[in-house]
Amino acid sequence: SVLTQPPSASGTPGQRVTISCSGSTSNIGSHTVHWYQQPPGAAPKLLIYSNDQRPSGVPDRFSASKPGTSASLAISGLQSEDEADYYCATWDNSLGGPVFGGGTKVTVL
Amino acid sequence: QVHLQESGPGLVKPSGTLSLTCTVSDGSLSKYVWTWIRQPPGMGLEWIGHVSTDGKSRNSPSLESRLSMSMDTSKKQFSLKLNSVTAADTAVYYCARTFDYYDAPHNFFLYYFDLWGQGTLVTVSS
Repeated sequence: SVLTQPPSASGTPGQRVTISCSGSTSNIGSHTVHWYQQPPGAAPKLLIYSNDQRPSGVPDRFSASKPGTSASLAISGLQSEDEADYYCATWDNSLGGPVFGGGTKVTVL
Repeated sequence: QVHLQESGPGLVKPSGTLSLTCTVSDGSLSKYVWTWIRQPPGMGLEWIGHVSTDGKSRNSPSLESRLSMSMDTSKKQFSLKLNSVTAADTAVYYCARTFDYYDAPHNFFLYYFDLWGQGTLVTVSS
């Protein structure tokens, strides 16, 4: 994938988990980053848009930032329902289209 | 509440054409572009392309030569056709509403998928 994410992350209920997303000047360095949550067997859902904005209905346990050519998603107060795959995405100038990270599987221990 | 629903054959023969339609229930088609994204089994997400309400499309360079997309605003439907398919095209195909905004004076660009269909599995096999 053009954007690099760790394949997995885990934590116990109540803990804080952070997921990184690394890119380059042609993508993250130039454009806003968005995050999608995909529960097992379900379609992805928009979780964060424009680097750090939560759509209506997304709990404030989810937060994100974009320092430079990388981005990160944090889940605080981890809950069992947060078990899902998480994907970062942004526009890529070289591709001329959006690109996704490879996804990070979050497991609640 | 806006809802997206994919429809089309779940099985396509190699070298054939994959055809899918996405129906948009409720809401306006304007102010958005309408996108196809796919996910091979056990793998990540891949952008296929989008079509706007004026019928213009923008496609992934890797699929451009095999791809066509169209929009029927009267039926609130948009469609995807991918020809010369192989087993590598086996995937869950999602349609998604896309917020596409460019503020030229400030060089600010937003492009994100704010609503997704449930997805449909298309298998390429003889």
